[in-house]
Amino acid sequence: EVQLQESGPGLVKPSQSLSLTCSVTGYSITSNYWGWIRKFPGNKMEWMGYISYSGSTSYNPSLKSRISITRDTSKNQFFLQLNSVTTEDTATYYCARLFNYGSYVFDYWGQGVMVTVSS
Amino acid sequence: DIQMTQSPASLSASLGETVSIECLASEGISNDLAWYQQKSGKSPQLLIYAASRLQDGVPSRFSGSGSGTRYSLKISGMQPEDEADYFCQQSYKYPFTFGSGTKLEIK
Repeated sequence: EVQLQESGPGLVKPSQSLSLTCSVTGYSITSNYWGWIRKFPGNKMEWMGYISYSGSTSYNPSLKSRISITRDTSKNQFFLQLNSVTTEDTATYYCARLFNYGSYVFDYWGQGVMVTVSS
Repeated sequence: DIQMTQSPASLSASLGETVSIECLASEGISNDLAWYQQKSGKSPQLLIYAASRLQDGVPSRFSGSGSGTRYSLKISGMQPEDEADYFCQQSYKYPFTFGSGTKLEIK
């Protein structure tokens, strides 16, 4: 079974970088696409970006200058880095598999990690 | 970006009742629409993809329909375990965008 697990600090100071890891078991990240989504207080959800089976990336233009998604195929992990964070980046961050069922959907999700940006 | 307007924001239903949730896209999305369920404290679960296709393992009381810009999720016979947040997501154009969510409670 495909399982994803996010990890990383729950508290980040403003202007610093947010770094999260998604560890995947039961499926190789060298297949399909692997994304990051966040859910803000108040329940708005935002797709942040993905990394593909080949290592190419696609980002939400709203974040393009601050975001980087990378991977370590030897550990079957992929990573999120978000630079210059502000309190507006306080959210629950999810990693998920993006699968093409004829349209792209997130069919497996991690449990999420809550990140608070505060001094 | 394609805006997904979801309604209602909240809904309460009696056990056995049929409920519907709608998503209106700001432009046509050619059935590239998914529905997710998120129970309190849990991660989202995929219910429906391609507007009307039921994900494996999802009870048949869930169904999706729609075309063009208007899509809906129907639960035929509310069950206690259906109390959750529901949201839609379009994948027709980048960036993928989500509806604002519907909180479904038991009356």
